[in-house]
Amino acid sequence: GAVVSQHPSRVICKSGTSVKIECRSLDFQATTMFWYRQFPKKSLMLMATSNEGSKATYEQGVEKDKFLINHASLTLSTLTVTSAHPEDSSFYICSASDQLNQPQHFGDGTRLSIL
Amino acid sequence: AQTVTQSQPEMSVQEAETVTLSCTYDTSESDYYLFWYKQPPSRQMILVIRQEAYKQQNATENRFSVNFQKAAKSFSLKISDSQLGDAAMYFCAYRSPGAGNMLTFGGGTRLMVKP
Repeated sequence: GAVVSQHPSRVICKSGTSVKIECRSLDFQATTMFWYRQFPKKSLMLMATSNEGSKATYEQGVEKDKFLINHASLTLSTLTVTSAHPEDSSFYICSASDQLNQPQHFGDGTRLSIL
Repeated sequence: AQTVTQSQPEMSVQEAETVTLSCTYDTSESDYYLFWYKQPPSRQMILVIRQEAYKQQNATENRFSVNFQKAAKSFSLKISDSQLGDAAMYFCAYRSPGAGNMLTFGGGTRLMVKP
């Protein structure tokens, strides 16, 4: 079945640094990938839609300069949290689907902790 | 915009018994997809079951089945013969065919299974 790999699974870093999270579709091509943020005991909140070869579409309230998304190929999207601060600490999850009407496949998520 | 509501923040069920998780949604579309995802403590998102709105027959997957009431905009999940491994967060999700596979999630229901 379709597999989405997300890396790293856990990152701890100091305030002010930038962190890059990768999302890869291992056995299929994904023209669209999605990035979600999840707070403890809360639902998934869509941050942005990542489109291969074009600019990402951000949801209202998400700072595009803070959360940089690049989708350079059909199998890789990256989310970079720039100048991260403690309030950016959260669980980030990506997803992708191989066809328009097929279910999304999720990565295992990245737990980001900013000290 | 579509909204998805899960009115039960927490549910509890005795092992081997049956439990039903509620989900309602709001949409003006006639064609769409509905999903139930399971998120265990590992936080991996696992697709449990899906339903196409144009299909009248309720979807079933082994011990999992749905009660899809299109007119009432209701999509409940029934888990039969509950097992300890069913303990998790369950999210109901809506997808519009015109939204490029974007999912709208409900707030989630935490299911606890008592031995």
